[in-house]
Amino acid sequence: GNSVTQMEGPVTLSEEAFLTINCTYTATGYPSLFWYVQYPGEGLQLLLKATKADDKGSNKGFEATYRKETTSFHLEKGSVQVSDSAVYFCALIPNSGNTPLVFGKGTRLSVIA
Amino acid sequence: NAGVTQTPKFQVLKTGQSMTLQCAQDMNHNSMYWYRQDPGMGLRLIYYSASEGTTDKGEVPNGYNVSRLNKREFSLRLESAAPSQTSVYFCASSWSSGANVLTFGAGSRLTVL
Repeated sequence: GNSVTQMEGPVTLSEEAFLTINCTYTATGYPSLFWYVQYPGEGLQLLLKATKADDKGSNKGFEATYRKETTSFHLEKGSVQVSDSAVYFCALIPNSGNTPLVFGKGTRLSVIA
Repeated sequence: NAGVTQTPKFQVLKTGQSMTLQCAQDMNHNSMYWYRQDPGMGLRLIYYSASEGTTDKGEVPNGYNVSRLNKREFSLRLESAAPSQTSVYFCASSWSSGANVLTFGAGSRLTVL
């Protein structure tokens, strides 16, 4: 079946540190891949996406590259800020038709000043 | 510019009581979803409605019923609440069930004693 595995949190970083949150997936065919972010007390919102192999999604200084050979979509940011503290969810949609998003379990990031 | 509106935001129930979570979207989206979020479990799909007049089970449908009242509204009902249903519930919507961008509500925190 389709599934997403994320690194377990919580992740605690100092401001301006480099961030990597690992995400790997299992899916038939070539899914589209996403990162969603949930700020405290809010619902999820789309952060970035990539719809085919080698695509790079980017937004707000975050980047992730769709790696078919390693079935991965790791999230990176060069210099995190306190305002980046949130829960990050990796997700996929299979390319097989009208199937809802499949989410990973989420990784909580805390950035301290 | 409301997006997805969920009510109530907070609810405390006793075991065996019933209640309905309401969700409405004003974006003319075709598909709507109910997820629950639990610590360490991420988001799990309860039910979804690909289009008005249809509903489908997700990963964890037991103990819940849904109604797609019209294109705008999608309600989630707990007929006999159990402590295991203590969770944060999120409603979401999208253009289609295969669409890659979901718009989420702010969540409803339910506690069952």
